[in-house]
Amino acid sequence: AQTVTQSQPEMSVQEAETVTLSCTYDTSESNYYLFWYKQPPSRQMILVIRQEAYKQQNATENRFSVNFQKAAKSFSLKISDSQLGDTAMYFCAFMNLLNTGNQFYFGTGTSLTVIP
Amino acid sequence: NAGVTQTPKFRVLKTGQSMTLLCAQDMNHEYMYWYRQDPGMGLRLIHYSVGEGTTAKGEVPDGYNVSRLKKQNFLLGLESAAPSQTSVYFCASRATGTRPYEQYFGPGTRLTVT
Repeated sequence: AQTVTQSQPEMSVQEAETVTLSCTYDTSESNYYLFWYKQPPSRQMILVIRQEAYKQQNATENRFSVNFQKAAKSFSLKISDSQLGDTAMYFCAFMNLLNTGNQFYFGTGTSLTVIP
Repeated sequence: NAGVTQTPKFRVLKTGQSMTLLCAQDMNHEYMYWYRQDPGMGLRLIHYSVGEGTTAKGEVPDGYNVSRLKKQNFLLGLESAAPSQTSVYFCASRATGTRPYEQYFGPGTRLTVT
């Protein structure tokens, strides 16, 4: 099984500042995807950003960007210009394209609080 | 377009009771998944299905059964509930083909077993 590690259970950031959430993963595969999901207090899981392992360019979605270091098996999420609505749990997830069903493996999450 | 819906949203069971959680999706997705979410443990896969009539075990399948009789529905059953099954349950689905790798999640079901 793959393992995904999020070593920061809780983080906080001042509104309008930048914060980086860490994620590392362990796999022997070369063909996979990585994701960051956001879970606000409503409990709904919302996709924030995805990264294809074969792409060297880091993915970006508006204020959200990733730092994908394939050799180090690291996949951090940077949130710029933090907003109060960014307060949520953030989960890193790994998907192996070769696994039947392509199930996701999730980290344990980082609880982010944006302080006004 | 409702996406992924789950029924019920909340449920309290006594130990030994049975129940079925229903997941429905209207996106014509082939793949469907059931996860449980526990504090400090993220989401863990219980069972999944790669198409109508198919099911497979995930990481934590013990104590659960599933069925996928119709493509749009994925049922999760607890035959004899135990307090260790107190959790929030999420259903997810995804398509194959274009943009195949994003999973769409339902709103979750909070289950308490006393």
